[in-house]
Amino acid sequence: GESVGLHLPTLSVQEGDNSIINCAYSNSASDYFIWYKQESGKGPQFIIDIRSNMDKRQGQRVTVLLNKTVKHLSLQIAATQPGDSAVYFCAENQGAQKLVFGQGTRLTINP
Amino acid sequence: DGGITQSPKYLFRKEGQNVTLSCEQNLNHDAMYWYRQDPGQGLRLIYYSQIVNDFQKGDIAEGYSVSREKKESFPLTVTSAQKNPTAFYLCASSSTPGNGYTFGSGTRLTVV
Repeated sequence: GESVGLHLPTLSVQEGDNSIINCAYSNSASDYFIWYKQESGKGPQFIIDIRSNMDKRQGQRVTVLLNKTVKHLSLQIAATQPGDSAVYFCAENQGAQKLVFGQGTRLTINP
Repeated sequence: DGGITQSPKYLFRKEGQNVTLSCEQNLNHDAMYWYRQDPGQGLRLIYYSQIVNDFQKGDIAEGYSVSREKKESFPLTVTSAQKNPTAFYLCASSSTPGNGYTFGSGTRLTVV
């Protein structure tokens, strides 16, 4: 989830298990949310997005869940693979002309 | 292939010097953004531009300047007024402001 400080939250999972990465967003007026994946030394890559009129959206091996009541967003990755190791960011559009990014979560896959 | 290109990938600068980071996109996107990323941290917005010849300050604009003379280009200048410029700089663009961004591969700036 989101946090303030110098250390990224971390999540370690076994290869083949499912991963769940959480994100708490701040603005109840936010209407659009995105998950990005960032590998070391590279720019973030789009994974999946969801609009506020939806609760769930599925992609290839990924699912995003949105709970507007508690302002919570999650990214589920099925059958985690070594290539899923990265930092994952959630981002929200608070109605302004730019996205606001969360702190990020580092996902580590154990063999 | 359409995309967004940042150059150079690595940049070294002496203290007191200005340096300009390049960002070019051929996606025909109106909006462009500059972010700074420090080790183990998230993305902080420096400047953004919704349209040619217009740009706004982000959360950490002090010590930086930008221009948007062409739709395809949004260069960032790190001036000597920036106290701690060593960081990873990311440029992004989007077709509609606030919608999904496409990011470049970043420029790592080191002050020596």
